[in-house]
Amino acid sequence: QKEVEQNSGPLSVPEGAIASLNCTYSDRVSQSFFWYRQYSGKSPELIMSIYSNGDKEDGRFTAQLNKASQYVSLLIRDSQPSDSATYLCAFGSGNTGKLIFGQGTTLQVKP
Amino acid sequence: DADVTQTPRNRITKTGKRIMLECSQTKGHDRMYWYRQDPGLGLRLIYYSFDVKDINKGEISDGYSVSRQAQAKFSLSLESAIPNQTALYFCATSSVGDNYGYTFGSGTRLTVV
Repeated sequence: QKEVEQNSGPLSVPEGAIASLNCTYSDRVSQSFFWYRQYSGKSPELIMSIYSNGDKEDGRFTAQLNKASQYVSLLIRDSQPSDSATYLCAFGSGNTGKLIFGQGTTLQVKP
Repeated sequence: DADVTQTPRNRITKTGKRIMLECSQTKGHDRMYWYRQDPGLGLRLIYYSFDVKDINKGEISDGYSVSRQAQAKFSLSLESAIPNQTALYFCATSSVGDNYGYTFGSGTRLTVV
């Protein structure tokens, strides 16, 4: 079993719709979870972090964490073409401080 | 200026050459990392350092070496470059205070011919 599972996509949504990105992880002791956005050829950019079960909202982005199910998701409301990118989920590996990354989901927002 | 600076941004080198990629940061983070990214393979950890005297191998360290010259500087060397080291290389930093969230440099695109 991979440490982090993400559907590689592409996930295609129309402009203005809600995009839902999902990620499962294997490390039961992890306490920190992150979503990064990466445009083609650019570096990953941190867009959301979440540490407690439940939802965390920041503008059009909502991260959802369920530690019992080892599941983290990212919702993007009112999707825009500029949201078209690859989204990487990552979690902190135990107490090491290293992040374990998924391979990313490519999102395409069509005008 | 960027918080995490990588040089060079792009580099083409020949097989067998030694090459160094440099990373410097102004965030004051104690932890620094080197990753490579290849299409379909995601980010793979090469080396990481939790302080100047602490260097650790990642999952794909063969053919690479690193030097932590100061808290703010972490260099990656390819001792004898080979074509399958052609990739996009990222340096990242983190700290306990940021709950380990990484800040990435802008990347170095390396081509070995």
